[in-house]
Amino acid sequence: EVQLLESGGGLVQPGGSLRLSCAGSGFSFSNNAMIWVRQAPGKGLECVSFISSSGDNTNYADSVKGRFTISRDSAKNTLYLQMNNLRAEDTAVYYCSKSRGTFEPLDTWGLGTMVTVSS
Amino acid sequence: SYELTQPPSVSVSPGQTAIITCSGDKLGNKPTSWYQQRPGQSPTLVIYRDIERPSGIPERFSGSNSGHTATLTISGTQAMDEADYYCQAWGSNSYVFGTGTKVTVL
Repeated sequence: EVQLLESGGGLVQPGGSLRLSCAGSGFSFSNNAMIWVRQAPGKGLECVSFISSSGDNTNYADSVKGRFTISRDSAKNTLYLQMNNLRAEDTAVYYCSKSRGTFEPLDTWGLGTMVTVSS
Repeated sequence: SYELTQPPSVSVSPGQTAIITCSGDKLGNKPTSWYQQRPGQSPTLVIYRDIERPSGIPERFSGSNSGHTATLTISGTQAMDEADYYCQAWGSNSYVFGTGTKVTVL
């Protein structure tokens, strides 16, 4: 069974840092692009960042550029999102998902992990 | 930046047809996906490449895409179809999601 399991969320003060992880299983991790999508409370979906299957190409939403870093460890089948200088507007559920390529759909999603930025 | 616009809400009676639109510049030229998100759950893919259904998705879900509008149609809508629906396409060098539509089954 194809699964994605996020972890690392929690409550953090403005300006703080968190690292999210997403463990993949049941599929060829190294052959899939990986994506972080977030959903603020009561709001829609926003692609935060994605990384190519090889790890050579990354992309960030303007709202997180310079603060978030995406990475992947294919040996561990794990995706990461390092989040620095967090702001209140980063409060959201963060989902991990996968795609077979640039124009392909996000075919599997994790359960999500909640990040709350508040003092 | 590329934008996808959906109606905020659609209401439908059980057994009737729900139609959800997604509008974007030349969207018909972009493979479009649709995701269902039930309350408190993660999104699930229900349509990809405009018209394709993943395994396990009921036949009552269908899609089309032409011009500037993609459409998700739910035929014979059931109570379990009450959810938020998001379209998605590739634009501005990223995965772009629509604004979302809440489908209410009255």
